[in-house]
Amino acid sequence: AQRVTQPEKLLSVFKGAPVELKCNYSYSGSPELFWYVQYSRQRLQLLLRHISRESIKGFTADLNKGETSFHLKKPFAQEEDSAMYYCALASGGYQKVTFGTGTKLQVIP
Amino acid sequence: EAGVTQFPSHSVIEKGQTVTLRCDPISGHDNLYWYRRVMGKEIKFLLHFVKESKQDESGMPNNRFLAERTGGTYSTLKVQPAELEDSGVYFCASSHKTGVHNSPLHFGNGTRLTVT
Repeated sequence: AQRVTQPEKLLSVFKGAPVELKCNYSYSGSPELFWYVQYSRQRLQLLLRHISRESIKGFTADLNKGETSFHLKKPFAQEEDSAMYYCALASGGYQKVTFGTGTKLQVIP
Repeated sequence: EAGVTQFPSHSVIEKGQTVTLRCDPISGHDNLYWYRRVMGKEIKFLLHFVKESKQDESGMPNNRFLAERTGGTYSTLKVQPAELEDSGVYFCASSHKTGVHNSPLHFGNGTRLTVT
């Protein structure tokens, strides 16, 4: 069975401080990992995916198969980064997606 | 392009009543998913349609939940009879046809269901 773990329910950082949102997964096959974000009063949307290996809004995430992790990082937090962040794992040819419990990021001005 | 739309945005019903949620995916998206978020818990998978066929319904809690996608366009999720534990936010998502890599999900705004 596949599982995604986000250990922190809430992460508070000051503006300009580095951010790391943790995500660990368990899956026997070759996973595809995603980060989704939900800003206040907006719908859940894709932030980034590991196969793209790109930086979105200053965020990056590296898939570490040895540690089964896909932590989301940003060197300098901005107030507009405050949101709910969900790590997700897609598996199978028909892409069943499993989500973590989410981490609320609060950037303090 | 128009996004995924869900109706209603909120629904408050009494235990034992019936509620039907609707989802209109992005036009051309073969994949349609239903998810549910119960207060304080993760977003849990309910089921997945590929066009009009149920690809995976392993997440459906019990036989009080019935999902349909006639014609492979919009989908409905009916809860009958509703119980208190069915309260939560029901999300619909759609994506392109599966390729080598999984296509990202496009979510609707969700339907907040409250069973009293």
